[in-house]
Parts: sequence; structure tokens; C-alpha cells
Amino acid sequence: GAGVSQSPSNKVTEKGKDVELRCDPISGHTALYWYRQRLGQGLEFLIYFQGNSAPDKSGLPSDRFSAERTGESVSTLTIQRTQQEDSAVYLCASSLFRDGVTDTQYFGPGTRLTVL
Amino acid sequence: DAKTTQPNSMESNEEEPVHLPCNHSTISGTDYIHWYRQLPSQGPEYVIHGLTSNVNNRMASLAIAEDRKSSTLILHRATLRDAAVYYCILRGYSGYSTLTFGKGTMLLVSP
Repeated sequence: GAGVSQSPSNKVTEKGKDVELRCDPISGHTALYWYRQRLGQGLEFLIYFQGNSAPDKSGLPSDRFSAERTGESVSTLTIQRTQQEDSAVYLCASSLFRDGVTDTQYFGPGTRLTVL
Repeated sequence: DAKTTQPNSMESNEEEPVHLPCNHSTISGTDYIHWYRQLPSQGPEYVIHGLTSNVNNRMASLAIAEDRKSSTLILHRATLRDAAVYYCILRGYSGYSTLTFGKGTMLLVSP
């Protein structure tokens, strides 16, 4: 079946503009995660959604970052008033929640965000 | 999640076995050892995971030390497609679901 998809694949924006990044998880996956990867670095956790539970927002770097998820489907990550340090690849992953420890996460191809 | 230590990079020749080490001396009794890899310009992909016993799947084998303070990911015959950054990650019930990525090991495979 289809994997995790993300759009757009590339986004170039000007400093101070708002951007929206979209993630379509694998159908039936109740858990969804957003990560950020700066050039040459490892992945940083941003936010986690699991079913109807309150999302874990502990990784969001500032209040300019927010994310929503509609039911168990699409998620949108919004960055307001973008800054140059927001430039990174934003990765989305989904998993079929089993126990939260052994679940396999399936990653999308990412959105490369460049803030000029 | 407890911390892991991996070499920054390793090199291998095509069709030779590769042993990628990971140290996790502060692992707790309920922490699972996961390995993911990230090919160039792609999102990470799952490789294998284990708790105490050695594990095998179609991609690789995972050898876990008896004291669980270290583990080794084994690629039995490296191919050019295996060139990637390999991440060793511990996941426990206290840090549920999210993956904490370090810098991983960059594996270079030569023809």
C-alpha cells in the first residue's frame, strides 16, 4: 500500500512568512510524529499524536510552531513568522500503535524548507 | 531514553560483512534496542529491533551483548545501496513512542 506522503517536497519562503507543511500517514496508523532535521544533524522530535489523546508537544521549539491532526488522518505543521534557523527538512512518520515501544515508525520523504 | 554511542563513520567493501557497533552502558532493563537507517535524501527506515536475544530479519542481524550494554548491527553482505547513516536508538516505556536520534554512523560502501 501507499507509504507516508508529505507535501510540498520543497518550500522556499521569505523570513517572516507563515508556512504549512502537510503529512498524509499510512491508512490505519493511529500514531503520527513530526521531526526536524537540520543539515548534517540527526532528527529532532517535534510533536506526537496518538488517537484521541492530547498531543505530546514537548519538542516544539517555540510558540511559532503548531500542528493539528484531523482524526487519524492528515496532519498539518504550521510555522508562523519563519526565521532562517527554521530551515531544515521536516519529516513526518506514522505507526500502528501497539505498545509505544516496539512500534515501527514509517517515515515520509520529508519537506525541505528554506527560509531566505 | 538512555544515550547511545556510535562511531562517526565506517567503511566497507561491497559483498563483505559489516559490523556496526553501538554502546549503551546506561540501558535499563525494559529498554528495547532499535536500529534505523537513513539513505541519502530520504527519510529514515526501520532496520531491526531487539530486547535481549539476538534477532535476524531479511535486512540484518542484531547481536546483543549478554549484559546488554552494547549491541552490533550486522549486514551480512554489504551492497552499494546499504550506504547510509545508521542510528542505534533505545526506546523504553518512560520515553514512549518518540525516537531520539543521535548522529549515527555513516557507512561508506566501496565497489
